Amino acid sequence: AQSVTQPDIHITVSEGASLELRCNYSYGATPYLFWYVQSPGQGLQLLLKYFSGDTLVQGIKGFEAEFKRSQSSFNLRKPSVHWSDAAEYFCAALKTSYDKVIFGPGTSLSVIP
Amino acid sequence: NAGVTQTPKFQVLKTGQSMTLQCAQDMNHEYMSWYRQDPGMGLRLIHYSVGAGITDQGEVPNGYNVSRSTTEDFPLRLLSAAPSQTSVYFCASSRGGGQPQHFGDGTRLSIL
Repeated sequence: AQSVTQPDIHITVSEGASLELRCNYSYGATPYLFWYVQSPGQGLQLLLKYFSGDTLVQGIKGFEAEFKRSQSSFNLRKPSVHWSDAAEYFCAALKTSYDKVIFGPGTSLSVIP
Repeated sequence: NAGVTQTPKFQVLKTGQSMTLQCAQDMNHEYMSWYRQDPGMGLRLIHYSVGAGITDQGEVPNGYNVSRSTTEDFPLRLLSAAPSQTSVYFCASSRGGGQPQHFGDGTRLSIL
C-alpha cells in the first residue's frame, strides 16, 4: 500500500541551529512530493514541491528539500532556524497529478530561544 | 483575496444530528478537497472534486456526503453525526491536480 512516513513525531532545536525533518515514501514509482507547514490554529501552507528534475528543491521561508530515490526519502532542511519556524510539518505525496494525496503523520517542531 | 473560506470555525453537535460544513473559494480553482485532521494521523482525504458536477471519494468517505454545483462552493455534509467524526476539518483548493495549494483555516467539530 502507498504510504508516507515521518519518523520523528517531535523535534526540538535551538534558534540558529540547522534543521532536518525526515520523510520517507512507499510507492510503486516516484510520486510527486510536497512539504507543508501548519502554524497553530491555521490551515496548511505549501512550502515546496518536487515533480521531477533537480533533486534539490528550494521553497519559501528559506526551506529546501532533497529527493533521494535510493532512500525513498524527501527530507526538509533549513540552515538556520528562527523561532517563528515552530509549527507542525507535513510531508505528502501523490502518484499522478490527479491522484489522491497521502499525508504523513506530521512532525512537530519546537524552537528554543 | 479571501482565498478559501470555511464556516463555521467551531461547532458542537449531538450524536445523530446532521450538519453542513461550508467551503468557498474565490480563485476559480477547479480542484477542491476535504480533509480531516486527527492527532498523529496527519490529514486524511474525505472527498474531492475535479470540477463542478464531479466528485469522488477519498480515503475516509463513510458518513460524509459532498456535492459541487458551482466552481466556488464545495460543502461537506455529515448525515448522522457520530463521536468518531470529532475532528478538525480542512477544505483546500488547487488550480489543477491533487496537491492542495490553498487551505482554509479549518472547522473544529465536536460530537457529543
